Amino acid sequence: AQKITQTQPGMFVQEKEAVTLDCTYDTSDPSYGLFWYKQPSSGEMIFLIYQGSYDQQNATEGRYSLNFQKARKSANLVISASQLGDSAMYFCAMIPGGGADGLTFGKGTHLIIQP
Amino acid sequence: DVKVTQSSRYLVKRTGEKVFLECVQDMDHENMFWYRQDPGLGLRLIYFSYDVKMKEKGDIPEGYSVSREKKERFSLILESASTNQTSMYLCASSLADVTGLNYGYTFGSGTRLTVV
Repeated sequence: AQKITQTQPGMFVQEKEAVTLDCTYDTSDPSYGLFWYKQPSSGEMIFLIYQGSYDQQNATEGRYSLNFQKARKSANLVISASQLGDSAMYFCAMIPGGGADGLTFGKGTHLIIQP
Repeated sequence: DVKVTQSSRYLVKRTGEKVFLECVQDMDHENMFWYRQDPGLGLRLIYFSYDVKMKEKGDIPEGYSVSREKKERFSLILESASTNQTSMYLCASSLADVTGLNYGYTFGSGTRLTVV
């Protein structure tokens, strides 16, 4: 079984600072995928970034990057130059190599960007 | 714009009622999922479906059932609603076959159910 741990229930960050949201995972599958989602107060889940366990390079998508440390089973999300609109819940999730059994989510981090 | 649509944004039901939560996707996705979201617990998988008339239990299926009679529609059923089923319910769909493991999950906007 997979497990995702997000140890930061809440974070306050000044606008324009970089933010790191922590995520560690546990799985016995050699192949897996890691995801980050953003959930603003409106409720929809917005896909941010994906990292495959065999990908050689860390994933990047605009201001988002995923700091993937496979040996440490860590998949931290880095947001560069934070903006007020980044205030939201952030969820780390993973999928096993079999693929289709659905995502396993962490408990989330509530990020608040302060002006 | 492709999307997953949940029929109700907010719903209030009485204890003991039979409740139907509907989800429709227009992406021709094979896989569909129902999650429950509670503060401090994240999202937990209730049921999922690989194909029409097929269903699989997730991590917390007790008290719920599902129906998938058409590919685009996946319904979550609370046979006899209880107050501990008050929660946000999120539907999602995904592709069945991809290169790698990024199945292109798309989520609905959620239904906030209150059972009184």
